[in-house]
Amino acid sequence: RKEVEQDPGPFNVPEGATVAFNCTYSNSASQSFFWYRQDCRKEPKLLMSVYSSGNEDGRFTAQLNRASQYISLLIRDSKLSDSATYLCVVNPGGSYIPTFGRGTSLIVHP
Amino acid sequence: ETGVTQTPRHLVMGMTNKKSLKCEQHLGHNAMYWYKQSAKKPLELMFVYSLEERVENNSVPSRFSPECPNSSHLFLHLHTLQPEDSALYLCASSSGGTSPLHFGNGTRLTVT
Repeated sequence: RKEVEQDPGPFNVPEGATVAFNCTYSNSASQSFFWYRQDCRKEPKLLMSVYSSGNEDGRFTAQLNRASQYISLLIRDSKLSDSATYLCVVNPGGSYIPTFGRGTSLIVHP
Repeated sequence: ETGVTQTPRHLVMGMTNKKSLKCEQHLGHNAMYWYKQSAKKPLELMFVYSLEERVENNSVPSRFSPECPNSSHLFLHLHTLQPEDSALYLCASSSGGTSPLHFGNGTRLTVT
């Protein structure tokens, strides 16, 4: 099993749709979790941290399920500008080296 | 100036050239990273410096040589590269532990 797994997609959705991505991780000792957004040929940018209690930032909601070892990202009311690759990142405890998923591609069309 | 700054943004070099990529962070972080991202491929960790210690991916060829003179500056020295080394090279920094990485804009390298 890969350390961090994501469905590569692409997820092709119309504007205004709600879309959800999941990411599973194998290291049960992982301590922190993040979603990044990466536009084509650009650097990854931190979208949001993922907290145990779940957290929301505008149209974006992130959740963590430690028992099943997955995190999720929900995007409501999708915009054309949400089209990007979304990277799941997991930090193991006691290490400076995070593990990146391969990313999920989202395409929002008119 | 804030964040993570990389220079140059674009670099074209021949296989016999020697060049260096530079990264500077103004976030007070104590760990810095080099990543490579080839076209349509995932991020590949090359090197990590934390508290002036170096951790490296053993699969990185010796034609890539990192240097970290202090916690704010990181270099990647390049020599006798191959065309397959053409990629986006990303620098990042973090406070370590449970903190997220912050990336620079990257250097797009083309080896001819």
